[in-house]
Amino acid sequence: DGGITQSPKYLFRKEGQNVTLSCEQNLNHDAMYWYRQDPGQGLRLIYYSQIVNDFQKGDIAEGYSVSREKKESFPLTVTSAQKNPTAFYLCASRAALGSNQPQHFGDGTRLSIL
Amino acid sequence: AQSVSQHNHHVILSEAASLELGCNYSYGGTVNLFWYVQYPGQHLQLLLKYFSGDPLVKGIKGFEAEFIKSKFSFNLRKPSVQWSDTAEYFCAVTDTDKLIFGTGTRLQVFP
Repeated sequence: DGGITQSPKYLFRKEGQNVTLSCEQNLNHDAMYWYRQDPGQGLRLIYYSQIVNDFQKGDIAEGYSVSREKKESFPLTVTSAQKNPTAFYLCASRAALGSNQPQHFGDGTRLSIL
Repeated sequence: AQSVSQHNHHVILSEAASLELGCNYSYGGTVNLFWYVQYPGQHLQLLLKYFSGDPLVKGIKGFEAEFIKSKFSFNLRKPSVQWSDTAEYFCAVTDTDKLIFGTGTRLQVFP
């Protein structure tokens, strides 16, 4: 079945540590997105990528980094510069640049600070 | 930039009650509108979408939404809710190649 796989499901980070969240899709989608979900704040866009080797900052990119070396993969690194990283992180993808197709979401990764 | 407002943060209903969740977006022009649902412990799923045409759109599980351009609104409705509708509901609107989400409405349905 086609879909989006996020791993791990739960992740713990120590102070000062960088951690990387994985997102893989086999839907052959061009565009991929990372969101952060906090209670009462909905989903806020961190980074997005419309094609391989290109990505743009979203609304809350500070303290995060991404790469898009392959079409199917869009890993997110939460760096030590992100002072409040505890949240639920969602990865999404969409068929094509500029399309009006809906985004498909993964199951999410819950990140907590030790 | 586009923004989305969901005015109902937490809604509590009994089974068989009718539901209407409000969603307003900030500016007009051509918009694509979505409602997503997140059931407890599950990923976000698309309930319904509006791109053009009939402003009354029907989605899965008996949900529908009405696009009212003059009011910049896209309210979600269901005539009779069930306990299984307990979830968080998000309205979203496209802004160029991004999707802007509202803050969500938590719906609790009691038997």
